[in-house]
Amino acid sequence: SQTIHQWPATLVQPVGSPLSLECTVEGTSNPNLYWYRQAAGRGLQLLFYSVGIGQISSEVPQNLSASRPQDRQFILSSKKLLLSDSGFYLCAWSGPGVAEQYFGPGTRLTVT
Amino acid sequence: AQSVTQPDIHITVSEGASLELRCNYSYGATPYLFWYVQSPGQGLQLLLKYFSGDTLVQGIKGFEAEFKRSQSSFNLRKPSVHWSDAAEYFCAVGARDDKIIFGKGTRLHILP
Repeated sequence: SQTIHQWPATLVQPVGSPLSLECTVEGTSNPNLYWYRQAAGRGLQLLFYSVGIGQISSEVPQNLSASRPQDRQFILSSKKLLLSDSGFYLCAWSGPGVAEQYFGPGTRLTVT
Repeated sequence: AQSVTQPDIHITVSEGASLELRCNYSYGATPYLFWYVQSPGQGLQLLLKYFSGDTLVQGIKGFEAEFKRSQSSFNLRKPSVHWSDAAEYFCAVGARDDKIIFGKGTRLHILP
């Protein structure tokens, strides 16, 4: 069966520091991968999605970037965090051509 | 453009009572429709999905949803709620480009 992992689970970082969040999927090949941010009362905001290695689409211009160095690995990064980057970050995957997405456990990021 | 509206931000029901969470969508073609549930601090779990066919779909944990094209609705129901159903529920619509648009969520509170 397929499993999706995210780490770290929680992170507290000062403003201006770098960020790296990692997401990996097991048990499937060539998945579509997604990064979402969830802020309180604002639902889920799609940040990036990827349909293959090195293929990244950005949905919202911001202080973040994403990379997909391997088929089942998706990384969310920032060079300098802002207070507004605080939130709950969720990674998700779907099979190619399959509509439903499956979510990881999330990372709670607090920028201080 | 696709959109999803969940008109109720909070819903409170007594344990053992029936539940209906409302969802309206906007989409030009036949949509893919989903309901997800999120417990505090966790990722989203897929409850059920509708792609085509029978307009009443059954999901996990005793939930069901009914697709009504004439009303552009996909309401979630459960005949008898349990205290463990307290969570946030998200309705979502999927497009053909491998992306899903989420509503802002309805938080369900259960009274003992």
